[in-house]
Amino acid sequence: AQSVTQLGSHVSVSEGALVLLRCNYSSSVPPYLFWYVQYPNQGLQLLLKYTSAATLVKGINGFEAEFKKSETSFHLTKPSAHMSDAAEYFCAVSDRGGTSYGKLTFGQGTILTVHP
Amino acid sequence: DADVTQTPRNRITKTGKRIMLECSQTKGHDRMYWYRQDPGLGLRLIYYSFDVKDINKGEISDGYSVSRQAQAKFSLSLESAIPNQTALYFCATSDPGLASDTQYFGPGTRLTVL
Repeated sequence: AQSVTQLGSHVSVSEGALVLLRCNYSSSVPPYLFWYVQYPNQGLQLLLKYTSAATLVKGINGFEAEFKKSETSFHLTKPSAHMSDAAEYFCAVSDRGGTSYGKLTFGQGTILTVHP
Repeated sequence: DADVTQTPRNRITKTGKRIMLECSQTKGHDRMYWYRQDPGLGLRLIYYSFDVKDINKGEISDGYSVSRQAQAKFSLSLESAIPNQTALYFCATSDPGLASDTQYFGPGTRLTVL
């Protein structure tokens, strides 16, 4: 069975500071990995995804994530935080095995706060 | 217009009532999913459907049922609502033809059971 752990339920940064949101996964097969963002009172929006091509994945709004197989990690980063980045972020792993191919397992979420 | 819509957006109901949440999509995707979101628990899969004739239980299906009326419509029912079903519910769709099978989410339904 696959699983995702997001380290830190809340992360707080200053505007202009580096954003680092941590995600570790467990999967029995090479994974597809996703980061989604949820702004207040909205649904989930795809930020970026890893599908076994380049290990450094660039997404929308200046975010990127690096797939590290040896560390089973897929951490999300942004060099300079903006107030508009305040949201909840979810890491997810896709089931690529058998009849349940395509199911997502989500982490618990990390709420990012950006202060002036 | 939004690709994935959910109705209602907000609903308050009483314990024991039957309630249906509806999801419609215009993306032409075969696969549809229902999740619930609770603070600190992320999203958990309730049911999923890979085509009109295929319905599968997710990790937390007890107390819920679904109906896939057409490729574009997937409804979630609570036969007898209870307070711990108070949550934010999301519908999602995906296309198995895409290698990554990315899921696209609706805006959510906030359900409160009193």
